[in-house]
Amino acid sequence: DGGITQSPKYLFRKEGQNVTLSCEQNLNHDAMYWYRQDPGQGLRLIYYSQIVNDFQKGDIAEGYSVSREKKESFPLTVTSAQKNPTAFYLCASSIVSGYSNQPQHFGDGTRLSIL
Amino acid sequence: AQKITQTQPGMFVQEKEAVTLDCTYDTSDPSYGLFWYKQPSSGEMIFLIYQGSYDQQNATEGRYSLNFQKARKSANLVISASQLGDSAMYFCAMRDETSYDKVIFGPGTSLSVIP
Repeated sequence: DGGITQSPKYLFRKEGQNVTLSCEQNLNHDAMYWYRQDPGQGLRLIYYSQIVNDFQKGDIAEGYSVSREKKESFPLTVTSAQKNPTAFYLCASSIVSGYSNQPQHFGDGTRLSIL
Repeated sequence: AQKITQTQPGMFVQEKEAVTLDCTYDTSDPSYGLFWYKQPSSGEMIFLIYQGSYDQQNATEGRYSLNFQKARKSANLVISASQLGDSAMYFCAMRDETSYDKVIFGPGTSLSVIP
């Protein structure tokens, strides 16, 4: 089945540590996204990528980094510079069409907590 | 500025009854679309239904339908015959008018179905 796989489901970070969240898709989508969701809140865009080897900052990119070396993969690194990383992280992908009608498809998310 | 508003932070509905979740939006894009997503407590975001601004008829998808009133800039989600599994957060969303690369989400409505 086609879909988006995020791993791990739960992740714990020690102070001063970088951690990487994995996101893989087999939907053949060009665009991929990372969102952060805090309890009871909506989604905030961290980074997005429309094509391999290119990505753009979203609304809350500080303290995060990404790479897009393959179409299928868009890993997110939460660096030690992100002082409040405890949140739920969602990865999404979509077709790039130039039209406004393409929905995003989401993974199951990763819950990150500070130790 | 483009904006999505969901004025109902929380809603309750009796099982088997219908419920309407409100969504109003503001955009200067003449061609746009509205998406609805469901987020159960497990966290994944599930795409439910899409309505295009030029669609002649209101969108329907199983028990989900959209009450789309273009002049009022509203795209309310109607869930018929509510089930316990419908208990979740519901988000209204649309593509960013300045860049279809990005998606703007509303703050969400929490729906609880009462047996």
